[in-house]
Amino acid sequence: QVQLVESGGGVVQPGRSLRLSCAASGFTFSSYGMHWVRQAPGKGLEWVAVIWYDGSNKYYADSVKGRFTISRDNSKNTLYLQMNSLRAEDTAVYYCAREGLVGAYRNHAFDIWGQGTMVTVSS
Amino acid sequence: DIQMTQSPSSLSASVGDRVTITCRASQSISSYLNWYQQKPGKAPKLLIYAASSLQSGVPSRFSGSGSGTDFTLTISSLQPEDFATYYCQQSYSTLWTFGQGTKLEIK
Repeated sequence: QVQLVESGGGVVQPGRSLRLSCAASGFTFSSYGMHWVRQAPGKGLEWVAVIWYDGSNKYYADSVKGRFTISRDNSKNTLYLQMNSLRAEDTAVYYCAREGLVGAYRNHAFDIWGQGTMVTVSS
Repeated sequence: DIQMTQSPSSLSASVGDRVTITCRASQSISSYLNWYQQKPGKAPKLLIYAASSLQSGVPSRFSGSGSGTDFTLTISSLQPEDFATYYCQQSYSTLWTFGQGTKLEIK
């Protein structure tokens, strides 16, 4: 079935790095734009980053620009989020999400989500 | 960045009630507005995209309307499984943003 599975979360000290992965299955990964969304404990959803289906474009929220890098490997059906210079305020559950298609066109909405992986930034 | 403001932030209602949640954008976003439902400990679920298109598999008691800056999500007859938090999201800009959420609780 169509599925996204995140991994790589954990506890990390401020200023350190972490790389998250999102393994896709059940669909043609290389046809879809992919996003990272995070949710701090007890808070709302915050969009983090997007990468186009072919990796040609990437955009970031201001809160992570210059520290986080989104990438993908279409041969491995995997999305990544490299997180550097981590701060306490980056503590959150990180979700990967697929941007849906209606026919051949993007619908700009997130139709498939992973279960999330928890990142805790603490000394 | 485009700011999204939902109202109310929380809402108490009973099974069978008709409920409306409002979302306002800080600038016009045409119909690039999506709605999600999230239950505790779970990932969000897409309900409505492009302001009024019902996502496949979502019950028809959910509907969306609006364009420009003002949007609504309506649940025509609340069911027990609908008690959750709802988020709007704009996808007009390449910097997607969410509303702060509306928590729908049982009265």
